[in-house]
Amino acid sequence: KAGVTQTPRYLIKTRGQQVTLSCSPISGHRSVSWYQQTPGQGLQFLFEYFSETQRNKGNFPGRFSGRQFSNSRSEMNVSTLELGDSALYLCASSRKTSGRARETQYFGPGTRLLVL
Amino acid sequence: AQTVTQSQPEMSVQEAETVTLSCTYDTSESNYYLFWYKQPPSRQMILVIRQEAYKQQNATENRFSVNFQKAAKSFSLKISDSQLGDTAMYFCAFMGSGNTGKLIFGQGTTLQVKP
Repeated sequence: KAGVTQTPRYLIKTRGQQVTLSCSPISGHRSVSWYQQTPGQGLQFLFEYFSETQRNKGNFPGRFSGRQFSNSRSEMNVSTLELGDSALYLCASSRKTSGRARETQYFGPGTRLLVL
Repeated sequence: AQTVTQSQPEMSVQEAETVTLSCTYDTSESNYYLFWYKQPPSRQMILVIRQEAYKQQNATENRFSVNFQKAAKSFSLKISDSQLGDTAMYFCAFMGSGNTGKLIFGQGTTLQVKP
């Protein structure tokens, strides 16, 4: 079974631009969670999508948004990029079968975003 | 708010020896899940082991085992017969009942396995 895939793997943007990152979960997984990893703040939860609905959200500004499609693929968007948005963005999928279920998350390889 | 603390930023061990990584957490919940993930230089986050809080038996996966002390809110990872491929950053993570889909991570411990 193929693992979680993320595209693109690397991205360079300038301040003020917007960016869209994509995540394809493991086949059969319906939940996708997104995380931001930086040297200073570590790993921080952005949001989780299950059945095309945002179920949980971390403490990030509204510039960070996401969505999930009917095939469980997810995208996250960051508008008006700031230098501090430079990070590794990780997505993880799980096979949870209900909104409140807790299942092990399996991670993709990440997208490295550099904002200049 | 739940927190996860890894007090050892860096550790090293000789190949074939045993090493223990520490993790403590804070929560008022009684039912939760704990995980150890490994992140090698490739940055791919890999699941090492998982523990359900309602299970008293410590989880084991080959050379990896945990010492789960629920009352002390401690969750340490023991790596036996360390191998060069175990060199990575290790993260302890918590998932509570009220925040599904959300892992709370510790700061990580960088483990260097020396030949």
